[in-house]
Amino acid sequence: DTAVSQTPKYLVTQMGNDKSIKCEQNLGHDTMYWYKQDSKKFLKIMFSYNNKELIINETVPNRFSPKSPDKAHLNLHINSLELGDSAVYFCASSPRDRGLLGTEAFFGQGTRLTVV
Amino acid sequence: RKEVEQDPGPFNVPEGATVAFNCTYSNSASQSFFWYRQDCRKEPKLLMSVYSSGNEDGRFTAQLNRASQYISLLIRDSKLSDSATYLCVVTPNNAGNMLTFGGGTRLMVKP
Repeated sequence: DTAVSQTPKYLVTQMGNDKSIKCEQNLGHDTMYWYKQDSKKFLKIMFSYNNKELIINETVPNRFSPKSPDKAHLNLHINSLELGDSAVYFCASSPRDRGLLGTEAFFGQGTRLTVV
Repeated sequence: RKEVEQDPGPFNVPEGATVAFNCTYSNSASQSFFWYRQDCRKEPKLLMSVYSSGNEDGRFTAQLNRASQYISLLIRDSKLSDSATYLCVVTPNNAGNMLTFGGGTRLMVKP
């Protein structure tokens, strides 16, 4: 069983379109994330979300929005896609941080988005 | 200045070699530290957490120097299967447990 699964794995779309990427985790984790990995391979946090709090990286354009129907799902909606949005998007989840030490994040296999 | 900095490499080493990677972080309030591994076109996976006292897992040893804001990873007796990108990861604080990744160091182990 895949712990964190994303769909689709590949997405090719035209500029200006609106698209969604789905993510599901079966680990019972409280927190889910979206990361973007650009062509230079830098992984950057976009959103952190649990059932109480959404934390947004202020550099993320408001064309990007996370939507969580329940604790096990965090989907990413992107409006008016631009060429610069082409990247690999990773969903991740982690258990609740119960102390001073942070917790491991488990990643999905990634969605390779190409905007043409 | 980037929050987490790593030498991108690549480090090309022969099988059996010992190789060390370094990483520096800018936020002195950082609480948690990790090394992740990412294979080509795959997702990052946790290699090991880094504890203040240093820790070892088989051929891998991680060290943390809080005073210098420096983390290291030592790989002994390199295997071909160790070829990957190694990502230094820091949690700046407890808010949201958001991991901050370095750009990664690419390792290529040659026969």
